[in-house]
Amino acid sequence: EDQVTQSPEALRLQEGESSSLNCSYTVSGLRGLFWYRQDPGKGPEFLFTLYSAGEEKEKERLKATLTKKESFLHITAPKPEDSATYLCAVEERNTGFQKLVFGTGTRLLVSP
Amino acid sequence: NAGVTQTPKFQVLKTGQSMTLQCAQDMNHEYMSWYRQDPGMGLRLIHYSVGAGITDQGEVPNGYNVSRSTTEDFPLRLLSAAPSQTSVYFCASSYTSQGGAYEQYFGPGTRLTVT
Repeated sequence: EDQVTQSPEALRLQEGESSSLNCSYTVSGLRGLFWYRQDPGKGPEFLFTLYSAGEEKEKERLKATLTKKESFLHITAPKPEDSATYLCAVEERNTGFQKLVFGTGTRLLVSP
Repeated sequence: NAGVTQTPKFQVLKTGQSMTLQCAQDMNHEYMSWYRQDPGMGLRLIHYSVGAGITDQGEVPNGYNVSRSTTEDFPLRLLSAAPSQTSVYFCASSYTSQGGAYEQYFGPGTRLTVT
């Protein structure tokens, strides 16, 4: 059974204090790993898709990386507006169309 | 483009009542899906559709029905609401392919309370 575990559950940072969020996954064959951002009371917003080990993608202060067992979302010099819950999801190669398995998320709070 | 829209934003039902959560997208996406989000649990797939006239069950389908008569709309029906169905419901859509992984675009959600 596919599993996605995110850590930590919550993270509090000072503005400018860089850190990383972790997403560990277990699938028999990975089609894609997705990162989403979710603000309170809103739907998840797409950030990145990673397809294979060694791949990296960047967007502003965020950088996502992928290995065969986990993905990291690195946040460099965060700002208060980066505060949100970050969700990780995987799509397995052999389970049909776009069946995503989500982790429970990491709640990030960046204080000024 | 409005993207993915959902109505209503909030709803309170009594146990046993039925209702339909509406979802529409204007991106001409073939794939649409419904998730529920509960505290301490990840988003869980309820039902999904790969095109008009085609639907299938996800991880937690019991108590919910869907149909897809058009590309744009994918309503979710609660036949007889139960307190266990209190949750936040999200609709999502994407392009579809057997070979690739496409990102899903989510609506703003419907917060449902069943008393």
